[in-house]
Amino acid sequence: SAVISQKPSRDICQRGTSLTIQCQVDSQVTMMFWYRQQPGQSLTLIATANQGSEATYESGFVIDKFPISRPNLTFSTLTVSNMSPEDSSIYLCSVVGAGEGADTQYFGPGTRLTVL
Amino acid sequence: QKEVEQNSGPLSVPEGAIASLNCTYSDRGSQSFFWYRQYSGKSPELIMSIYSNGDKEDGRFTAQLNKASQYVSLLIRDSQPSDSATYLCAVSSGGSYIPTFGRGTSLIVHP
Repeated sequence: SAVISQKPSRDICQRGTSLTIQCQVDSQVTMMFWYRQQPGQSLTLIATANQGSEATYESGFVIDKFPISRPNLTFSTLTVSNMSPEDSSIYLCSVVGAGEGADTQYFGPGTRLTVL
Repeated sequence: QKEVEQNSGPLSVPEGAIASLNCTYSDRGSQSFFWYRQYSGKSPELIMSIYSNGDKEDGRFTAQLNKASQYVSLLIRDSQPSDSATYLCAVSSGGSYIPTFGRGTSLIVHP
């Protein structure tokens, strides 16, 4: 399967600031997604990153808070804007079309965000 | 609303035993089923996918699917302490690339 990398792997940020997380895949993939996983919880889908167009957001998530870009088939960014301590979480990039199964999701290593 | 239910555990088994992890789902139109392993502080790693009723084996892992009962399970034979992790069940409908994830079952394999 493809190699997925995320930067940064972790960060500690101040309230009110923004952080941009990058996701890079070593091959072209069909779809890219952004998830959030809070401590002890399962995965929550934030949005589908669409290549060349606006992302598709899930209920409870808005573009102003989580702007997403996907300029090509191997790269996407997620920005967490105007952060508060409630945004402390692990943010995960996932891709489809990177290995066995046309509908199988593979996850990047994640970005651990702490907001003070 | 599509739901995927897992017992949160922890499920504790001795080394060498068979660990049995279970998952039920609500959407009868579900067609794709996945098991992920997640070590503490790490991202989910795909273990197995299954699409047809019956068993699918890969090494020490066996996935079992029963669509009539809306039930999917994962058996781990000869459990090792390194298998200690949270196991996530994920289910998606035909044509969807976005599965619904369960909350995961914590497995502890003790020496």
